[in-house]
Amino acid sequence: DAMVIQNPRYQVTQFGKPVTLSCSQTLNHNVMYWYQQKSSQAPKLLFHYYDKDFNNEADTPDNFQSRRPNTSFCFLDIRSPGLGDAAMYLCATSRGGTSSYEQYFGPGTRLTVT
Amino acid sequence: QKEVEQDPGPLSVPEGAIVSLNCTYSNSAFQYFMWYRQYSRKGPELLMYTYSSGNKEDGRFTAQVDKSSKYISLFIRDSQPSDSATYLCAMSNSFYGGSQGNLIFGKGTKLSVKP
Repeated sequence: DAMVIQNPRYQVTQFGKPVTLSCSQTLNHNVMYWYQQKSSQAPKLLFHYYDKDFNNEADTPDNFQSRRPNTSFCFLDIRSPGLGDAAMYLCATSRGGTSSYEQYFGPGTRLTVT
Repeated sequence: QKEVEQDPGPLSVPEGAIVSLNCTYSNSAFQYFMWYRQYSRKGPELLMYTYSSGNKEDGRFTAQVDKSSKYISLFIRDSQPSDSATYLCAMSNSFYGGSQGNLIFGKGTKLSVKP
């Protein structure tokens, strides 16, 4: 089945220790998104790639970076995680354009910062 | 005032009940209205999509948009225990230019349907 895969499902890191979260897709979609979802909060868009074009949300902290080496993969790098970065990180994809409302989400990576 | 407001619940109903879930919003530029369903420990999945005002029906689910009141609803008829999940509304004003589908989500309403 075509899908969005996130690894790992659970990640524990230490305060200040860099961490990378991974997302891959078999849908061949143009757009890949990273969302942060804290407990009982709405998912918040951090950034997205349309093909190789990177779009950063204005309020996304500099501590968060992303890479998309090819169509299938996208990475979220947190350079110096703080306690406030503990959250569920959701990767999503879409075809883009008028189909952007239909986003396919992965199961998420739950990040714990100790 | 937040752009999208949604009562987090939890909402508990007996099997077979009609469920009404709602969101209000403040940005009159929103034109695209979505409902996503999120099961525990899973990512959200698109349930319904409506453009501008009006109603849309899909099986047991009906989505309504009232742009004049800035109010959207999702109705679930003959609710089933398998409908137990968190329901998130999401909205956007445009999918062109730099936005490329920037969805603004509500916090989600947690629904539990009891057998």
